[in-house]
Amino acid sequence: DTAVSQTPKYLVTQMGNDKSIKCEQNLGHDTMYWYKQDSKKFLKIMFSYNNKELIINETVPNRFSPKSPDKAHLNLHINSLELGDSAVYFCASSPPGSTAPLNEQFFGPGTRLTVL
Amino acid sequence: AQSVTQLDSQVPVFEEAPVELRCNYSSSVSVYLFWYVQYPNQGLQLLLKYLSGSTLVKGINGFEAEFNKSQTSFHLRKPSVHISDTAEYFCAVSKWGGATNKLIFGTGTLLAVQP
Repeated sequence: DTAVSQTPKYLVTQMGNDKSIKCEQNLGHDTMYWYKQDSKKFLKIMFSYNNKELIINETVPNRFSPKSPDKAHLNLHINSLELGDSAVYFCASSPPGSTAPLNEQFFGPGTRLTVL
Repeated sequence: AQSVTQLDSQVPVFEEAPVELRCNYSSSVSVYLFWYVQYPNQGLQLLLKYLSGSTLVKGINGFEAEFNKSQTSFHLRKPSVHISDTAEYFCAVSKWGGATNKLIFGTGTLLAVQP
């Protein structure tokens, strides 16, 4: 199936640990994103990569480090996890080009991170 | 700065009744507006988008929205809802970041359809 996939779907861990969330899209898109959805369902962009290059970094703590090994993958590594990091993290992708502001973003199913 | 306001956090409605979910935006430049739906425990799915042209936009699942520039609104409507429409609905405005598209979301409206 063509889609945006994320692993794992659920992640439960202790404070202070380091964890990674993986994202892959097979839609042939150049641009990928990470969003954080908090407990009140508020969605906020964290990062955007275009063809493996970081484009947007929305004042996210340095403990969060995205990595894009190729344009089909955008992984999120989080160091020294804190209670406030508990949220659902969504990966998304969109087509490239000059019409990019008009483009739909395709979202993955989300990863629910719980920090204890 | 661009922003989106969804005035209702929750809208309860009976099955087969009409519904309107409100969205207002603020922007000093041309806007591209979107409605996304999030079913329980799933990712977001595009319902419809306004880019230009006709102010009445039709989307999937019988939803439509009307772009009103003078009222800076982009309200979502459906003439008759089903139980399966129960979900969180997000209005979003697109901001061009120079090389990529950043979506700025509203706080969401939970549409709760009751039998």
